[in-house]
Amino acid sequence: DTAVSQTPKYLVTQMGNDKSIKCEQNLGHDTMYWYKQDSKKFLKIMFSYNNKELIINETVPNRFSPKSPDKAHLNLHINSLELGDSAVYFCASSQDWQGGYEQYFGPGTRLTVT
Amino acid sequence: LAKTTQPISMDSYEGQEVNITCSHNNIATNDYITWYQQFPSQGPRFIIQGYKTKVTNEVASLFIPADRKSSTLSLPRVSLSDTAVYYCLVGDRGSGDKLTFGTGTRLAVRP
Repeated sequence: DTAVSQTPKYLVTQMGNDKSIKCEQNLGHDTMYWYKQDSKKFLKIMFSYNNKELIINETVPNRFSPKSPDKAHLNLHINSLELGDSAVYFCASSQDWQGGYEQYFGPGTRLTVT
Repeated sequence: LAKTTQPISMDSYEGQEVNITCSHNNIATNDYITWYQQFPSQGPRFIIQGYKTKVTNEVASLFIPADRKSSTLSLPRVSLSDTAVYYCLVGDRGSGDKLTFGTGTRLAVRP
């Protein structure tokens, strides 16, 4: 009974390709996030959506485009993949975006660009 | 920007109490202090959260002094399964730049 799920778990692709990562949460939360964890293990926020509305859009290349069809789903589409995009991408959700609501993380998607 | 500073690594033995301190000198009035645990190849998992004084749950305790410029995560009687990276996070989530987890503290528990 997974709370936050991501697909695929592993993604290996070549430079220049376009790929998508999907995320779903069954917790009834209003807010979802995408994080990137690089090889040095820094975990940095990329985007956040609250009730399908973008509320956080960090300094991320335009090649990255999030899409939230409903508040239970937040997908990440990446165009023209580059070697530097190789990382683990985590989806997370929280009850709301204000105050001290804990975040629930998915298992991660390990993206390898060759 | 409420930047956090933690020790890069700590070692302990099974059964000992482990205290990990996080420094956050620029903490803002609306900021909460949250600790997460991450095992290899998994997403971070919430441990505990607090605003001031002391918070305790079934897993850990969180001590926050009156000035809130630091906090200490206390893990009682650690076991091998507590070997993980522990992140201190400060923020109200209204601003994205406060949602960077930092380097974390790599805790190694030995038999």
